[in-house]
Amino acid sequence: EADIYQTPRYLVIGTGKKITLECSQTMGHDKMYWYQQDPGMELHLIHYSYGVNSTEKGDLSSESTVSRIRTEHFPLTLESARPSHTSQYLCASSESGPSSYNEQFFGPGTRLTVL
Amino acid sequence: AQSVTQLDSQVPVFEEAPVELRCNYSSSVSVYLFWYVQYPNQGLQLLLKYLSGSTLVKGINGFEAEFNKSQTSFHLRKPSVHISDTAEYFCAVSDRGRRALTFGSGTRLQVQP
Repeated sequence: EADIYQTPRYLVIGTGKKITLECSQTMGHDKMYWYQQDPGMELHLIHYSYGVNSTEKGDLSSESTVSRIRTEHFPLTLESARPSHTSQYLCASSESGPSSYNEQFFGPGTRLTVL
Repeated sequence: AQSVTQLDSQVPVFEEAPVELRCNYSSSVSVYLFWYVQYPNQGLQLLLKYLSGSTLVKGINGFEAEFNKSQTSFHLRKPSVHISDTAEYFCAVSDRGRRALTFGSGTRLQVQP
């Protein structure tokens, strides 16, 4: 079944640790996205990718980095986690091409808490 | 530039009552419009979308929305809500060629018994 997966679902970690949030999709989509969601609900685009070896910064500045070595995999890394990174992180994917409407499919999210 | 405004941050409503969640957008080109729902501790799920054609679109769970080009609105409605509809609802807009959706700030629907 085509889907989008995120692991871990919940992560509690100490300040200064390096973490990687995993995102994988079996939708066959070229475009993938990372959003950061505040406790007040608003979604902020922090990274996106049009395909393999293509990554761009989003609207909200983030200290995280991403990579896209395989079409189906779009991990997000924080080299040194801080309490200000505490948030929910949502991964999404969509089709590309001239007929794309940018309809996005979302994973279940990772709730990160940095102590 | 595109923008989306969801006028109500919270909407409390009693079970079996009708509800309308408001969404207005600004864009200089033809747009595609979406409503997503987010249940606690989950990702976003597509409720419905307007791409073209009929301005009244029906979605899952009994929701519908009407695209009004002159008022640049895409309000979401349900004639009778259930406790299980309690969630956050996001309106989003896109046009062909944009890199991503533009989301509104969300509306929390609270259905009370």
